[in-house]
Amino acid sequence: GENVEQHPSTLSVQEGDSAVIKCTYSDSASNYFPWYKQELGKGPQLIIDIRSNVGEKKDQRIAVTLNKTAKHFSLHITETQPEDSAVYFCAASITGNTPLVFGKGTRLSVIA
Amino acid sequence: DAGVIQSPRHEVTEMGQEVTLRCKPISGHDYLFWYRQTMMRGLELLIYFNNNVPIDDSGMPEDRFSAKMPNASFSTLKIQPSEPRDSAVYFCASSLGPGELFFGEGSRLTVL
Repeated sequence: GENVEQHPSTLSVQEGDSAVIKCTYSDSASNYFPWYKQELGKGPQLIIDIRSNVGEKKDQRIAVTLNKTAKHFSLHITETQPEDSAVYFCAASITGNTPLVFGKGTRLSVIA
Repeated sequence: DAGVIQSPRHEVTEMGQEVTLRCKPISGHDYLFWYRQTMMRGLELLIYFNNNVPIDDSGMPEDRFSAKMPNASFSTLKIQPSEPRDSAVYFCASSLGPGELFFGEGSRLTVL
């Protein structure tokens, strides 16, 4: 089955700096790669996703890139703000066939 | 819509006791998922349903765990008997088709 590795497990950045979180997946058939943000005491919430027919997607300060050949994808957050502090999860699946498999999460701390 | 509703939010019980966690998915969603979150293992899929039918329960740790979905608006996850290693946050999530997962706020279980 699918296996998703996520790095780093913790990340601290100064407010205004950029943050990058990286994930690799094992199943070359996976074609859907979402990112979820989990704030303290809450459930994860989708923030951005990318499908395998696209190499990059942006939404304001966040962007995701996908390299299907290398089987890795990354989340980029620019101009970080204190409210970006949370745990971020990457995930992968085969759309319509398999449920999401999540990475173990990255705890991002943005220091004001 | 009120989102995915889970109860109880917190449960503290003693080893050997039965625990029942409850979930009300978003109306109209046809998929329901139960995930378990721990520091060591991250978000693990336990079981998921499609149109109230269990599709894959391979993530259920052992026979002490069982899940039901008697109708489209209610699901339970039961642990009997509970053990300290079952302590975790249990999330229920629902989706419309194989799309975005909407998570509840979780049930934090502590087994003493």
